[in-house]
Amino acid sequence: DVKVTQSSRYLVKRTGEKVFLECVQDMDHENMFWYRQDPGLGLRLIYFSYDVKMKEKGDIPEGYSVSREKKERFSLILESASTNQTSMYLCASSARYNEQFFGPGTRLTVL
Amino acid sequence: QKEVEQNSGPLSVPEGAIASLNCTYSDRGSQSFFWYRQYSGKSPELIMFIYSNGDKEDGRFTAQLNKASQYVSLLIRDSQPSDSATYLCAVNDFGNEKLTFGTGTRLTIIP
Repeated sequence: DVKVTQSSRYLVKRTGEKVFLECVQDMDHENMFWYRQDPGLGLRLIYFSYDVKMKEKGDIPEGYSVSREKKERFSLILESASTNQTSMYLCASSARYNEQFFGPGTRLTVL
Repeated sequence: QKEVEQNSGPLSVPEGAIASLNCTYSDRGSQSFFWYRQYSGKSPELIMFIYSNGDKEDGRFTAQLNKASQYVSLLIRDSQPSDSATYLCAVNDFGNEKLTFGTGTRLTIIP
């Protein structure tokens, strides 16, 4: 079974803090994704990585950056957290041209 | 801008009946179609995918694809209370690793 894990289920941070969200997958998948999910807006892609050190902006990259130094790990960084970044963050991975598998999600609250 | 449209619901179906969930998409180049189930507070989990026109059955679930009309549907036979969840439709086109998600349909099975 594919396993995608995320570093925290719940996280509370203060405005202006630097926030790291980590995602690890154990299936040697090439692709990894970061989404945020908000009520009424659905899943929105923040960043996508198709290989180590490779990244591509999604639909809403502003205020975020990513890092992929190893194939199994994909990190999302909020350089200076703001209240409008309070959301559920979901990581996913996939093999080339295949379905995506999601991690359990991190519910981030920025105060 | 690719769009995937779903009726947000809620859709209420009696236990034991057939639940029918629909999804339309705007990009005629879309090649792959996915249905995810998401329980409240949980992450999406893949139920089915379909690539070819017609029906694909897996247990109580049937995915139907009509590329000419640009819609894909999910039928759930013998609906159970455990089927109560939000169902997300997602599509991508050939050679594109990214999925475009609908905002989901909330399904409630009434005992």
